[in-house]
Amino acid sequence: AQKITQTQPGMFVQEKEAVTLDCTYDTSDQSYGLFWYKQPSSGEMIFLIYQGSYDEQNATEGRYSLNFQKARKSANLVISASQLGDSAMYFCAMREGDNDMRFGAGTRLTVKP
Amino acid sequence: DGGITQSPKYLFRKEGQNVTLSCEQNLNHDAMYWYRQDPGQGLRLIYYSQIVNDFQKGDIAEGYSVSREKKESFPLTVTSAQKNPTAFYLCASSIDGGEADTQYFGPGTRLTVL
Repeated sequence: AQKITQTQPGMFVQEKEAVTLDCTYDTSDQSYGLFWYKQPSSGEMIFLIYQGSYDEQNATEGRYSLNFQKARKSANLVISASQLGDSAMYFCAMREGDNDMRFGAGTRLTVKP
Repeated sequence: DGGITQSPKYLFRKEGQNVTLSCEQNLNHDAMYWYRQDPGQGLRLIYYSQIVNDFQKGDIAEGYSVSREKKESFPLTVTSAQKNPTAFYLCASSIDGGEADTQYFGPGTRLTVL
């Protein structure tokens, strides 16, 4: 069964606008971690942000924030004030306990000038 | 500078040949991982290692082998038994492999079988 679902294969956003990339997950564990990575065309995976299942506050890292809705099992990434350099693939991932990290299929974000 | 290096960046192989992809880290991380990425898809785990001289299979280990003789190094061999090896291969490391443990990635190796 798919553990991580990213329903948006592609998204467009105007430069300087905010954008939300969706991620839903499936787990019966109480303890898990959620991650977002950025993959530019060069291929390297760049860590953006982490949210623990017991964290009460939504995680934030600069222009990135994670909209964590535990009851709905969603962990959407919000990018504020988009920049041209934000154009990339974005992957949501989850780790349950010491198990393997599972990745979604990704969303390709294109920032338009 | 601390980080993860992978070499080579591009690799071409003839069918029937084994090939070894290098992964080195100087972050003093205990855990290391190998992932495969096919076009338009997410990452799939091939092998991982949480300690020297020990490693476990991931979801798609068939046709691959690894070794972990040193903490810093985790080479991946793509054997001739791997039926469709053309893909992008990413190596990662993390402090100890725990739940909240962030994985950091190398730049990747793009393997093409001719």
